[in-house]
Amino acid sequence: EPEVTQTPSHQVTQMGQEVILRCVPISNHLYFYWYRQILGQKVEFLVSFYNNEISEKSEIFDDQFSVERPDGSNFTLKIRSTKLEDSAMYFCASRHTGVFSNQPQHFGDGTRLSIL
Amino acid sequence: AQKITQTQPGMFVQEKEAVTLDCTYDTSDQSYGLFWYKQPSSGEMIFLIYQGSYDEQNATEGRYSLNFQKARKSANLVISASQLGDSAMYFCAMREGQTGGFKTIFGAGTRLFVKA
Repeated sequence: EPEVTQTPSHQVTQMGQEVILRCVPISNHLYFYWYRQILGQKVEFLVSFYNNEISEKSEIFDDQFSVERPDGSNFTLKIRSTKLEDSAMYFCASRHTGVFSNQPQHFGDGTRLSIL
Repeated sequence: AQKITQTQPGMFVQEKEAVTLDCTYDTSDQSYGLFWYKQPSSGEMIFLIYQGSYDEQNATEGRYSLNFQKARKSANLVISASQLGDSAMYFCAMREGQTGGFKTIFGAGTRLFVKA
């Protein structure tokens, strides 16, 4: 069964550095998402992306964050000037577009980001 | 205001017994979807079951069923014949609307412990 893949599985970065989290969504999916989960807390929506542009973003997704689909397969989340509070598990998800809203988002296994 | 409420931070169930995980939601949309995801200790998010707001029958997927009570805005997950491998965090989630990015909003989760 096709799956969403995320790399790396764990990223350790010094505070203030930039980090890029990578995702390869399922190939025939057209909606892409990033979520984050701070340890022990609930999953929070960051951003959705469709047709090469952001379709929705949360208040968490400020100017520090950006997303890009640099080619036909990758979907990246860039965090500039990382802060300690950016430490979290970051999940990428994708969804097959269609008329019916019953299509679930398929999640990757996540990238655990640790800011030192 | 909370859109998804899971009031049980932790639940215990005896192996082979059934367990119900509660979820209530709040939306003014007529069209929405409700999902349950399982998050084992390894951290990945596993889609379990979906219920659409217009679905007249409760969704079932193997040992999982969703007790959907639209008037009460509840979407409880029932796991029958619990197994040790069911021990995990369970998230109720909702997606609103027919168009747009279809972001998914998650509840705080219920941690299920299955006892041998």
